[in-house]
Amino acid sequence: LAKTTQPISMDSYEGQEVNITCSHNNIATNDYITWYQQFPSQGPRFIIQGYKTKVTNEVASLFIPADRKSSTLSLPRVSLSDTAVYYCLVGDIGRDDKIIFGKGTRLHILP
Amino acid sequence: GAVVSQHPSRVICKSGTSVKIECRSLDFQATTMFWYRQFPKKSLMLMATSNEGSKATYEQGVEKDKFLINHASLTLSTLTVTSAHPEDSSFYICSARDGTSGMFGEQYFGPGTRLTVT
Repeated sequence: LAKTTQPISMDSYEGQEVNITCSHNNIATNDYITWYQQFPSQGPRFIIQGYKTKVTNEVASLFIPADRKSSTLSLPRVSLSDTAVYYCLVGDIGRDDKIIFGKGTRLHILP
Repeated sequence: GAVVSQHPSRVICKSGTSVKIECRSLDFQATTMFWYRQFPKKSLMLMATSNEGSKATYEQGVEKDKFLINHASLTLSTLTVTSAHPEDSSFYICSARDGTSGMFGEQYFGPGTRLTVT
């Protein structure tokens, strides 16, 4: 499992777009990038997953540059309810079974 | 989507007693389930991986005799904290992997169980 580095915390305001970047310099060829969201006293929730370029769903977008050594989770027009911890995970779909969580980014949305 | 439940959601027990936490996959078969522990303001720490019908694989530093894991069916795994002590107080979260899915990240997490040992 590739090691990941994310900012410890971020603050933003309601209605803003929030971008959280994750560094994964040792990403392997078969590795995918996955982001989870966790609210206090709840289990993590899958947000988005990608391999390269850009992936978008109803919740977020994931931007992955050509070298894949980093990725950016983009949350459009955040609200107070987006206050949570966001985890970036990198692993091999076909080989890895367990998920090892890093420290995550604690996002605080202000009114 | 796939749902994983945990029971109980909260439990308070006295020091020295044992507590069992259940993790169920409600609408899929989970060949593999995982147990995590999370302390306040900290990340999730993987404790063990359990495969249906076989012994659990524990992460380094996790006492297998203290945290008993049983995965007797494709929809149920249990974690028993034996002889609990106050330092075992934590948030315990399970996740289940859909046996038909080969995707990394296709794991579904339960809502967690808050254990308080007095």
